[in-house]
Amino acid sequence: AQSVTQLDSHVSVSEGTPVLLRCNYSSSYSPSLFWYVQHPNKGLQLLLKYTSAATLVKGINGFEAEFKKSETSFHLTKPSAHMSDAAEYFCVVSVRLNTGFQKLVFGTGTRLLVSP
Amino acid sequence: GAVVSQHPSWVICKSGTSVKIECRSLDFQATTMFWYRQFPKQSLMLMATSNEGSKATYEQGVEKDKFLINHASLTLSTLTVTSAHPEDSSFYICSAPINPQRGGSYNEQFFGPGTRLTVL
Repeated sequence: AQSVTQLDSHVSVSEGTPVLLRCNYSSSYSPSLFWYVQHPNKGLQLLLKYTSAATLVKGINGFEAEFKKSETSFHLTKPSAHMSDAAEYFCVVSVRLNTGFQKLVFGTGTRLLVSP
Repeated sequence: GAVVSQHPSWVICKSGTSVKIECRSLDFQATTMFWYRQFPKQSLMLMATSNEGSKATYEQGVEKDKFLINHASLTLSTLTVTSAHPEDSSFYICSAPINPQRGGSYNEQFFGPGTRLTVL
């Protein structure tokens, strides 16, 4: 079965310092992996996705993630945190349906706190 | 990008009543939509896959008679919480992918803003 594990429920950083949000996946086939962000009282926004192309994926707002098959990891990073990055982040793996569409399995989420 | 709307954005109801939540794809057609539930400070859990013109597919543990899903058109799916109880209070979110035949991707979903349900 497809699943993801987010290793940290909370991550605190100072503004201007690097961000690392960890995610490990379990998949019986080559997975599609995603990172979504959820700001308070706002809808989910796709940050980036990996679909078996380049292993280093660049997303919006300076975020990127690297797919490492040997470590079954898909960690999210950003070189320099901004106050506006404070939000809940979800690592997600997709599961193929018979129709061709894919349903999403969400990790438990990591709350990123950014202090001045 | 594609836009998905939900209505209402929040609703308060009495225990035992039914509540209908709408999910609309505003600028694209969606033969498939997904319904998620998110309890406070928890992750999103997929409840069901809504299929236009056919029955919804429910995830294990989700009562299909309690959470009625109707996908009557290519732009609208509805979730009805029947005989709602306080434990059904949650944030309900829908999502929809754009059909690949229309330029979309099987694995990219667009999320609605969510509906907060409070059952008294």
